[in-house]
Amino acid sequence: RKEVEQDPGPFNVPEGATVAFNCTYSNSASQSFFWYRQDCRKEPKLLMSVYSSGNEDGRFTAQLNRASQYISLLIRDSKLSDSATYLCVVRGSARQLTFGSGTQLTVLP
Amino acid sequence: GAVVSQHPSRVICKSGTSVKIECRSLDFQATTMFWYRQFPKQSLMLMATSNEGSKATYEQGVEKDKFLINHASLTLSTLTVTSAHPEDSSFYICSARRQGASLGEAFFGQGTRLTVV
Repeated sequence: RKEVEQDPGPFNVPEGATVAFNCTYSNSASQSFFWYRQDCRKEPKLLMSVYSSGNEDGRFTAQLNRASQYISLLIRDSKLSDSATYLCVVRGSARQLTFGSGTQLTVLP
Repeated sequence: GAVVSQHPSRVICKSGTSVKIECRSLDFQATTMFWYRQFPKQSLMLMATSNEGSKATYEQGVEKDKFLINHASLTLSTLTVTSAHPEDSSFYICSARRQGASLGEAFFGQGTRLTVV
């Protein structure tokens, strides 16, 4: 079983739609959780951290359920510029980050 | 903001030759840098953790004699792919953590796309 699993997609949605991505992680000792965004052939960039209380940044809402070892990302009012691969990232007790394989999103005009 | 510069961005080399990739933190000191490899449509896989002034720590299955890492200063780590073969063709990317940054905030280089022919 992979340490971090994501639905690879692709998700093709129209502009303005709401889309949700899910992620599960296998190590219950994982300490920190993040969503990164990676554009084609570019480096990943931190989108937002994920907290148990849930957190929101504009159109983006992230949620963590430690009991289920499940992380989600919700994007409201999708923009064309949201098209990218979204990476679920988990940090364990060591300093390394473990990346999911990513979920590809294409927002269509 | 913090910037990590990786060079070269793209390299094509012949099978059997060696390729050196540089990763520099431009405006902060990085005692630890990480090297990842990413194959198409796959996740970033950590290859090794590079520690300034000491030996790198390699992940299971990564050959340390093939992927030489040198972290000679607080701003520079290099990855050398020795005797490259076509199966080494991949996207190599480094990251560095800045002191004081949040635990998940890793600054990535632009990546190096290696093609071995």
